[in-house]
Amino acid sequence: KQEVTQIPAALSVPEGENLVLNCSFTDSAIYNLQWFRQDPGKGLTSLLLIQSSQREQTSGRLNASLDKSSGRSTLYIAASQPGDSATYLCAVVPVGAGGTSYGKLTFGQGTILTVHP
Amino acid sequence: EPEVTQTPSHQVTQMGQEVILRCVPISNHLYFYWYRQILGQKVEFLVSFYNNEISEKSEIFDDQFSVERPDGSNFTLKIRSTKLEDSAMYFCASKLAIRSGANVLTFGAGSRLTVL
Repeated sequence: KQEVTQIPAALSVPEGENLVLNCSFTDSAIYNLQWFRQDPGKGLTSLLLIQSSQREQTSGRLNASLDKSSGRSTLYIAASQPGDSATYLCAVVPVGAGGTSYGKLTFGQGTILTVHP
Repeated sequence: EPEVTQTPSHQVTQMGQEVILRCVPISNHLYFYWYRQILGQKVEFLVSFYNNEISEKSEIFDDQFSVERPDGSNFTLKIRSTKLEDSAMYFCASKLAIRSGANVLTFGAGSRLTVL
């Protein structure tokens, strides 16, 4: 059974710092990995999706890397801002059992990020 | 930007009552999902739905739960007789196509269910 773990559970940094969030998964047979942002009481916003054949994806100040063989992904946030404060979740999709399993995500517990001015 | 819309945003109910949570997926999406998140715990997959039938369900999705797409736009989750442990945030999600990496799963803002 796939298990996804995120470290650290919580992180508090001053504005402007570069930071790294970690995600590990136990079964390397994944189709893709996604990073999400969750604001308190809100839904999940997809930040980056990395296909299993890719090594990294970038969007603005965010860069996500994937090392499938070691079961690890990192989310790098450059020049953090108070508006980045949220919970960051990573989730993996299994290699095709077929059909809608491609939308069946297994989530980590998240990293609560606080960026203070 | 297209959104997945969920109603109600918060529902409080008594144990044993039936609850229906509603979702309007993005209009041209074909694959629909329900997830839940108990306070302080991980987001968990409940059920996937395609072509008007359940494709896959988790062990959480027992006989108390059902889903349907009654009118081609709404996608509902019904809990027949709620229990205290059903208290959670329920997220609806939809996806355009199965394999394309460009088609990420789009989540709604969630419906918070509180069972007293």
